[in-house]
Amino acid sequence: EDQVTQSPEALRLQEGESSSLNCSYTVSGLRGLFWYRQDPGKGPEFLFTLYSAGEEKEKERLKATLTKKESFLHITAPKPEDSATYLCAVFQGGSEKLVFGKGTKLTVNP
Amino acid sequence: EAEVAQSPRYKITEKSQAVAFWCDPISGHATLYWYRQILGQGPELLVQFQDESVVDDSQLPKDRFSAERLKGVDSTLKIQPAELGDSAMYLCASSSRTGVDTQYFGPGTRLTVL
Repeated sequence: EDQVTQSPEALRLQEGESSSLNCSYTVSGLRGLFWYRQDPGKGPEFLFTLYSAGEEKEKERLKATLTKKESFLHITAPKPEDSATYLCAVFQGGSEKLVFGKGTKLTVNP
Repeated sequence: EAEVAQSPRYKITEKSQAVAFWCDPISGHATLYWYRQILGQGPELLVQFQDESVVDDSQLPKDRFSAERLKGVDSTLKIQPAELGDSAMYLCASSSRTGVDTQYFGPGTRLTVL
């Protein structure tokens, strides 16, 4: 069965304290890995798509990387407004659907 | 910026009642998805449409849930009768095509069944 595991479940950082979120997957035929940000009570907001191992994408303080077994979302010098739940999802060629992890809840304290 | 619209944003109902949710995808997006998200979990796909046709409804509890996209634009998801376990966030998403294409989500409808 396709598995998408995100760690840690929750992460507390001080403003300016850089860290990384992990997304590991056990799917065959990965065709794309997506990162979304979700604020409480709202729908997920698209951040990045990664298609192949070695690929990297950046947006402001966020950088996403992909290997053959996992993806990392690096957050550099985070600010309180970066507080949200970050969701990882993989698109598997066989099922032709997006499978989400449970997310990492990030809290950045001022 | 084009967005996915959903209504209502919140719905409180009693068990055994019928509820309906509406979604208007980004203009021109042929593919529409309905997801259910339980608190603390990631979204799970309920049904996927390509234009007006159902592509995947394998996870839709068909004894009580139904979904339609009659003209291939907006869509309605219905639950009848609602059960306590249906309390969740119902999310609609759309993409320009099927396959590995970016899905854009609406704000969701928070359903509480009492």
